[in-house]
Amino acid sequence: GQNIDQPTEMTATEGAIVQINCTYQTSGFNGLFWYQQHAGEAPTFLSYNVLDGLEEKGRFSSFLSRSKGYSYLLLKELQMKDSASYLCAVKASGTYKYIFGTGTRLKVLA
Amino acid sequence: DAGVTQSPTHLIKTRGQHVTLRCSPISGHKSVSWYQQVLGQGPQFIFQYYEKEERGRGNFPDRFSARQFPNYSSELNVNALLLGDSALYLCASSPDSDQPQHFGDGTRLSIL
Repeated sequence: GQNIDQPTEMTATEGAIVQINCTYQTSGFNGLFWYQQHAGEAPTFLSYNVLDGLEEKGRFSSFLSRSKGYSYLLLKELQMKDSASYLCAVKASGTYKYIFGTGTRLKVLA
Repeated sequence: DAGVTQSPTHLIKTRGQHVTLRCSPISGHKSVSWYQQVLGQGPQFIFQYYEKEERGRGNFPDRFSARQFPNYSSELNVNALLLGDSALYLCASSPDSDQPQHFGDGTRLSIL
């Protein structure tokens, strides 16, 4: 089957670092994506990993291990505006389906 | 450049009716995907179209259909609406089907 697991909620303090984990089981793999979604808004693309390793983009970094079916999104120097849901999505090879997790709701406290 | 645009933004229908939702992709993007998102869940894949052809279909009943036009815009049609069809319907576009998708603001559909 195809399954993506993320923690439901996380809380962190402004200025801190937070790591949001994502594990997946899919029939084949052709890329992992992270999106940010503020309440009532559309998802916004953050990062994309297709090979193992770390991709860094400003305050956001994403890591992928294909052998472990594991990824994480690292957010540094947290700001209040980072309070949002973070969605992990996988594209399985041989299909055109993107499978999304249920999202991790991150609350950033002052 | 304009992002992905969807219309209408909100829609209220009653059970049994049908609805057509519209999407214009980012200029140059040939792939359009449709998703359904209910509160507290991630988007669920409905369809992907590329160059006017359906490339993928999720686990949705035949009441859901879509098409893509020569200008790459797309429509999602839902017939015989049920209460459970109430959701945010998102359209996403990408240059081709393997690249990151960019979402529109969605159409919030409420079924009474």
